[in-house]
Amino acid sequence: DAGVTQSPTHLIKTRGQQVTLRCSPKSGHDTVSWYQQALGQGPQFIFQYYEEEERQRGNFPDRFSGHQFPNYSSELNVNALLLGDSALYLCASSLPGTENTEAFFGQGTRLTVV
Amino acid sequence: AQTVTQSQPEMSVQEAETVTLSCTYDTSESDYYLFWYKQPPSRQMILVIRQEAYKQQNATENRFSVNFQKAAKSFSLKISDSQLGDAAMYFCASDPADKLIFGTGTRLQVFP
Repeated sequence: DAGVTQSPTHLIKTRGQQVTLRCSPKSGHDTVSWYQQALGQGPQFIFQYYEEEERQRGNFPDRFSGHQFPNYSSELNVNALLLGDSALYLCASSLPGTENTEAFFGQGTRLTVV
Repeated sequence: AQTVTQSQPEMSVQEAETVTLSCTYDTSESDYYLFWYKQPPSRQMILVIRQEAYKQQNATENRFSVNFQKAAKSFSLKISDSQLGDAAMYFCASDPADKLIFGTGTRLQVFP
């Protein structure tokens, strides 16, 4: 089991550009959540996808959007990048419901906006 | 708003000794889980221990145990027999409505 995989591992973009980050969930998991972790902070919830729809959303602007594919993999898109978007972006997969709420995390994508 | 507070930015412990990391939380949910995650330099969040709020018994996983005080909304992590490999950032988290809310973390240093 490969666990949660994210790509790329590192990325440098220029202010104003657009970026797409990718996540493949752990085998058998159908729910994907994205988190932003600024330097020295705890992760902040961006949004969650289940059955190809956005199920929940945190306090992030519309520049942050996502998608989930039929194979449960997911993308995070950020438009009009700002310097403040520089962070580690973590993907987590899980099963919905209250019986098994353990989220498995990938190693993240380090995004640097210059 | 749901919040998780970790008041210790850094802690240190000597190898083989015991250390306790503190966490308080605020939630309006009646049923929830609490977690401690470890984030080593490799960046991957690893679940250390999980507590179901409706269970009064404190969770234990090998050298890791929690002290869950529901009325006080306190959820501390005790690491016994500390090892060099325990050095990492530790994050306390709660999961209202199936999303994780994290504290700001505690950096644990382990000295030989």
